[in-house]
Amino acid sequence: SQQGEEDPQALSIQEGENATMNCSYKTSINNLQWYRQNSGRGLVHLILIRSNEREKHSGRLRVTLDTSKKSSSLLITASRAADTASYFCATEDNAGNMLTFGGGTRLMVKP
Amino acid sequence: ETGVTQTPRHLVMGMTNKKSLKCEQHLGHNAMYWYKQSAKKPLELMFVYNFKEQTENNSVPSRFSPECPNSSHLFLHLHTLQPEDSALYLCASSFRTGGYTFGSGTRLTVV
Repeated sequence: SQQGEEDPQALSIQEGENATMNCSYKTSINNLQWYRQNSGRGLVHLILIRSNEREKHSGRLRVTLDTSKKSSSLLITASRAADTASYFCATEDNAGNMLTFGGGTRLMVKP
Repeated sequence: ETGVTQTPRHLVMGMTNKKSLKCEQHLGHNAMYWYKQSAKKPLELMFVYNFKEQTENNSVPSRFSPECPNSSHLFLHLHTLQPEDSALYLCASSFRTGGYTFGSGTRLTVV
């Protein structure tokens, strides 16, 4: 069954605005990862946050993790048209290295 | 290029055909995966190989047959597929834990 669920399913913003996407999951995790996918292409790993971390930054990306609420958020600051893509969260469980993906958020950044 | 190469990029096959998808990585990763991505559905994990040993088979129909001859190569053999098997098939690799590196995928159409 699906472990992660992203919210919203679709998001449309103007260039320069911030974009926030949320992810909820169901079971205990070892880490949570965010990926980006351009249409019809493979996924690109963006950032990994471990279960004992609460916040992580990478360039214009900021990820938070709240294990008590089993949720994470991805913030993209000062968005650009090139950020238009689908964004997925994925969780790695404590038992091994299998990633389970959510349905994704489709982000459109209008120039 | 991500370091994970999938061929072919596109494949059209009839329901009686036999074809194979190929995935190759030279990142030194010890785990490789097949995922299926269908329209409007989350990514589905199909098979997992750790150090060439299959460790996961997520109730995938037998018309899909994986093969991992070494830690750098992964195949997905296809035979007597159905139209609903049309999807983007993604290969990924990783170390024991951490971020996954995905290939660009094979767009499969079953006619």
